[in-house]
Parts: sequence; structure tokens; C-alpha cells
Amino acid sequence: DIQMTQSPSSLSASVGDRVTITCRATENIITYLNWYQQTPGKAPKLLIYEASSLQGGDPSRFSGSGSGTDFTLTISSLQVEDFATYYCQQSYSSPFTFGQGTTVEMK
Amino acid sequence: QLQLQESGPGLVKPSETLSLTCTVSGDSINSNSYHWDWIRQSPGKGLEWIGSVYYSGSTDYNPSLKSRVTIFVDTVKNQFSLNLRSVTAADTAVYYCARRGILTGRLDPWGHGTLVIVSS
Repeated sequence: DIQMTQSPSSLSASVGDRVTITCRATENIITYLNWYQQTPGKAPKLLIYEASSLQGGDPSRFSGSGSGTDFTLTISSLQVEDFATYYCQQSYSSPFTFGQGTTVEMK
Repeated sequence: QLQLQESGPGLVKPSETLSLTCTVSGDSINSNSYHWDWIRQSPGKGLEWIGSVYYSGSTDYNPSLKSRVTIFVDTVKNQFSLNLRSVTAADTAVYYCARRGILTGRLDPWGHGTLVIVSS
């Protein structure tokens, strides 16, 4: 199985901050990497697919980059509604695996 | 607008079978562009992909659960279902169904999720 490791596991930030979350795969997944946002009590919601494509309707302050084994999710200016947990997921090969999550908390 | 909704018992006894159904509305499950997936989330193991079914009935399972899982599709009812046999407390989780694109592998949308507790 391909293992996905996110860092950090959690971070504290303020509204307006630039936030960066990284995700590393144990093997080359090209750009088959998706990012999801989850708020408490809700299902994960797709944010970014194929490493850098913004899901329709999502704000442009979210962006993704990377290829191969190293990927990044960036929130350019954190908003109140962005305090949540973020997961990466590889869709390169079955079984499709997720990172352990990064929780963005209010400082 | 496509919506997915999980249904099934919220409490299952150890050693019994967990059975859940996902009802798809707003589009047909009879599509050659998507797989239909089950994912679960527990505090101890995070998000875990369980497996998927294609409209034709072909399946793909996580090897870690393969010996206990069956996923099947009912194209007439526009539903797909999960059976997980011989459950233990470790199978307690929120279970989600989701649509997965064949080309990108993105999971979107997801159902709201249903909590299943394994306890006697």
C-alpha cells in the first residue's frame, strides 16, 4: 500500500495568515493526489483534485501543488470558515489511502 | 444535484454482519465514468477506504478487509450496499459512501455518513 504522511499534524494560525500543509507519498503517484476539508460532524469535502485543480465553487485562496511524492496545500489568507481538518488522498493505486490529517486551529 | 445518503442499523453486535445501503439521487448509478465507494472513519485509524463497485457489478476491495467485505450494486433502485461480516469493536466507525471519478480518482460527493457502533 502507498502510505501518505501529512505534516504538521496540527497548527495554530490567525485569520489572514498564509497556511501551508504538506503531504508525502511513499512512492511516485504522479499527480493523483486529492485534498479534502472536514469540519466537525460533517463529511469530508473535496477541495483540490489532481494535485492542483480547484474543485468548482471552492475559493481561490486554496491552491495545491506538487508531483511525484511531495505535495502542498496552501491557504493564501486564512478565513474563519477554514478552521478545519485537511486530508490528502492518493488515487494512483488501490487501496486508495489517506493522510492522517492536519487540523488547523485558531491561535 | 447529485446526493448520496447512507442508511442502515446504527448498532451491530460483535460477530454479526454490518449492512449499509447508499441511495444515489440526482443522477443514475449506471455510469461508465464513476465507481461507487465506501470509506470509514474511526478515531483510531483515520479515514480508511473500504472498497468500491462499478455499475457492472465489478468490485475492488481493500486487502485489509477483503476477507470480510462484499459490496454490490442495484441499478434498478439506484443504490449500492456494503456488507461487513464478523464485526468487532474495531469496526466501530462513521461509514461514508462516495462517488469516485474513474479518470481522476477524486471522491465527490460524499454522503453525510452514518455512525455504526459494534457492541453487545
